[in-house]
Order: sequence, then C-alpha cells, then structure tokens
Amino acid sequence: GQNIDQPTEMTATEGAIVQINCTYQTSGFNGLFWYQQHAGEAPTFLSYNVLDGLEEKGRFSSFLSRSKGYSYLLLKELQMKDSASYLCAVRDYSNYQLIWGAGTKLIIKP
Amino acid sequence: SAVISQKPSRDICQRGTSLTIQCQVDSQVTMMFWYRQQPGQSLTLIATANQGSEATYESGFVIDKFPISRPNLTFSTLTVSNMSPEDSSIYLCSVGWTSGITDTQYFGPGTRLTVL
Repeated sequence: GQNIDQPTEMTATEGAIVQINCTYQTSGFNGLFWYQQHAGEAPTFLSYNVLDGLEEKGRFSSFLSRSKGYSYLLLKELQMKDSASYLCAVRDYSNYQLIWGAGTKLIIKP
Repeated sequence: SAVISQKPSRDICQRGTSLTIQCQVDSQVTMMFWYRQQPGQSLTLIATANQGSEATYESGFVIDKFPISRPNLTFSTLTVSNMSPEDSSIYLCSVGWTSGITDTQYFGPGTRLTVL
C-alpha cells in the first residue's frame, strides 16, 4: 500500500531550529517533495530530493534516505512567517502522481 | 519556475449551475493537473489534463461532473458541473515537468468555490 506519515502538529520558538519528519512506504519512488502552505493559500514548492543526502536552500534544508524511507525538512532561524502547514509528497514513478502526507502544522511562538 | 494564473480566484455559485475555471501557464509544460482541497484536508487529485486527448480521472471523479480541456501546453480548464454544496472547495491547477533527474511541480493560486 501507499502510506506517508508526518506529525500532525509541531510547536517551535522564533529563532530556533525545527525538524519535520516524513516516513513513506510507496510501491514506486521517484523523488520526494516538500511544500509550504499558509492557511487559505496554495502550496509553495520548497524542495525536491531524489538522491540520498542533504539539500540546503537558505534557511531550509531537506534530507532523504531512500533505504529507510525517510525524509526531514529542517528549518533554521525560525520566523513568525514560517507558521504554516508543511506537506511531504512522494512521486510515484508508475503514473507520475504525487502521493501526499496529511501535512504538519507548524506553530511558531515568540 | 513557472508562473501560473487561475481565473476566477473565487466565486459563489448557486446549486445546479456550472463553473469553468481557467489555468494559464507562462511556459509550455508537460504535465497539468487539477486538484481539490477541502478545508483542513490534504490535496486530492481530480485528474491529469492531457494535451490533445481526454483527461485521466482519479477514482471518484468522472468526466460528466468535471469536464477538462487542454487545447495546448500552456492552458487548461476545469468545469464543475451541476454543483452542490459538497463541491465547495479550493480547486488548484498544478503543473509539472522533469529535466534529467530533477522533477518539479508547482501550484496555481487556487479558485475558492462556495456553492449555496
């Protein structure tokens, strides 16, 4: 079956670091996406990983381990505007569709 | 990246009517998708819009209810037909392409539909 798990909600403090985990079990794997979605808005693309390792983009980094079916999104120097839902999605190579996690709501406190 | 626009951005419609949502991309893209997202829930794929042929619908979605057109590589429409309050949702156009080992998928700003 297809399954993607993320924590439902996380809380962190402004200026701190937070790691959002995503584990997946899918029949086909052709890369993993992370999106940010503010309430009432469309998802915004953050990162794509298809090879193992860490990809860094400014304050955001994403890590992938294909053998473990595991990814994380690391957010540094948290700002209040980072309060949003973070969606993990896996590309299924058989039909090019994205399989979505339920999303992690991140709450940033001053 | 790609710039995606959708029209209308929001609408309030009466039960039994139909609404056509347009999606325009500023560059030619391989894949175009239509999603629905209901409040507090994750995204649900309605269909893949195929250029020059019939769309590929996901389980639970049918062409009579959600007819889709894609006349070229930069434009697509989704019609929500014979609407009921259960169709109230955000409808999102999404585009994707691959280049080497890189894969990309972006979303349009969405159309917020309320059916009374």
